[in-house]
Amino acid sequence: DIQMTQSPSSLSASVGDRVSITCQASQDISNYLNWYQQKPGKAPKLLISAASNLETGVPARFSGTGSGTDFTFTISSLQPEDFATYYCQQYDNLPPTFGLGTKVEIK
Amino acid sequence: QVQLVQSGAEVKKPGSSVKVSCKASADTFSTFTISWVRQAPGQGLEWMGRIIPIVGISNYAQKFQGRVTITADKFTNTVYMELSSLTTDDTAVYFCARGTSRPMDVWGQGTTVTVSS
Repeated sequence: DIQMTQSPSSLSASVGDRVSITCQASQDISNYLNWYQQKPGKAPKLLISAASNLETGVPARFSGTGSGTDFTFTISSLQPEDFATYYCQQYDNLPPTFGLGTKVEIK
Repeated sequence: QVQLVQSGAEVKKPGSSVKVSCKASADTFSTFTISWVRQAPGQGLEWMGRIIPIVGISNYAQKFQGRVTITADKFTNTVYMELSSLTTDDTAVYFCARGTSRPMDVWGQGTTVTVSS
């Protein structure tokens, strides 16, 4: 199975801050990498697919870059509704595997 | 609007089985794969398996092989996930989601399964 190493596991930030999360795959996954947002008690929500493709309706402050094994997710200006847990996930090979998540908390 | 609607919460005894349903729209059922992903309390997301509903072919994560069965009913556009030999470690929220070898872009609301003696 492909291992996804996500960091940091948590971070504290203020409204308006720029926040970045990294995800490293244990082997080359091309751009088969998604980013999800999950709020407590809710299902994950797909934000970015294919490493950098913003899903319809997702604000432009969210972005993703990378290919191969190294990927970055960025929120350019953190908003109150962005406090949540974020997960990366590869879909190059079965089984699809997720990073352990990054909890973004209010500073 | 595309939706996946799951069955309600379950409480089970250790050693028993649970069967969770996920009802999809007709076009989702005929066009996409449906995955099952679980999340233990305070933990991350774990893929369990998937089914191609239109042909009824399933694949499972090695961890769950022999203990999970994913089936589909084409007459009701419903996918089922049955997990047997339950232990307290199976206490989790179970989600169905559209997609496997593509982004999981639509998710069910989740079904809480509690395993307790």
